[in-house]
Amino acid sequence: EDQVTQSPEALRLQEGESSSLNCSYTVSGLRGLFWYRQDPGKGPEFLFTLYSAGEEKEKERLKATLTKKESFLHITAPKPEDSATYLCAVQPSLYNQGGKLIFGQGTELSVKP
Amino acid sequence: DGGITQSPKYLFRKEGQNVTLSCEQNLNHDAMYWYRQDPGQGLRLIYYSQIVNDFQKGDIAEGYSVSREKKESFPLTVTSAQKNPTAFYLCASSIDPGMSTDTQYFGPGTRLTVL
Repeated sequence: EDQVTQSPEALRLQEGESSSLNCSYTVSGLRGLFWYRQDPGKGPEFLFTLYSAGEEKEKERLKATLTKKESFLHITAPKPEDSATYLCAVQPSLYNQGGKLIFGQGTELSVKP
Repeated sequence: DGGITQSPKYLFRKEGQNVTLSCEQNLNHDAMYWYRQDPGQGLRLIYYSQIVNDFQKGDIAEGYSVSREKKESFPLTVTSAQKNPTAFYLCASSIDPGMSTDTQYFGPGTRLTVL
């Protein structure tokens, strides 16, 4: 069964304290792995797509990496405005349900000044 | 401005009523999706449509219905048959799910509460 698990469920950091969020997945062939940011009461905002093991992408203080079993979202020197829930999703490749995404439950990040 | 709009932002429903959530996009995307988000759970796919006048059930379609009469619009009806409809509903669209680099973009969401 295709599955995505994110850890930790919640993470509290001090401003400037770097850390990583984990996304572990099992999928019947990976077409792509997606990271989104979601603020309270709003829709998810697209951050990155990773397609193959070893791939890395960066955007400001965020860096996403991918292995064959998991992805990490590294946050370097976070600021309070980085506080949000970060969602990970995978898209299976061995069947195509119209581009279906399978989501993890998210990691709620809180950065205190 | 290009984007996805959902209305209303908040919706209250009495038990036994059907309600319709609106989703419109002006991105010229072929595919549109409806997801449901519950606290502590990942987003779950309700219905999706890859082309006008065609749509497919997702993982949790029971108690919901959709239509796709125009490329820009993909309304979702929550029927009285849906046992637990209180949730945050998210609409998304993508250019072409047949493309390996396809990305789904989300609207702002509608929060439905059953009274």
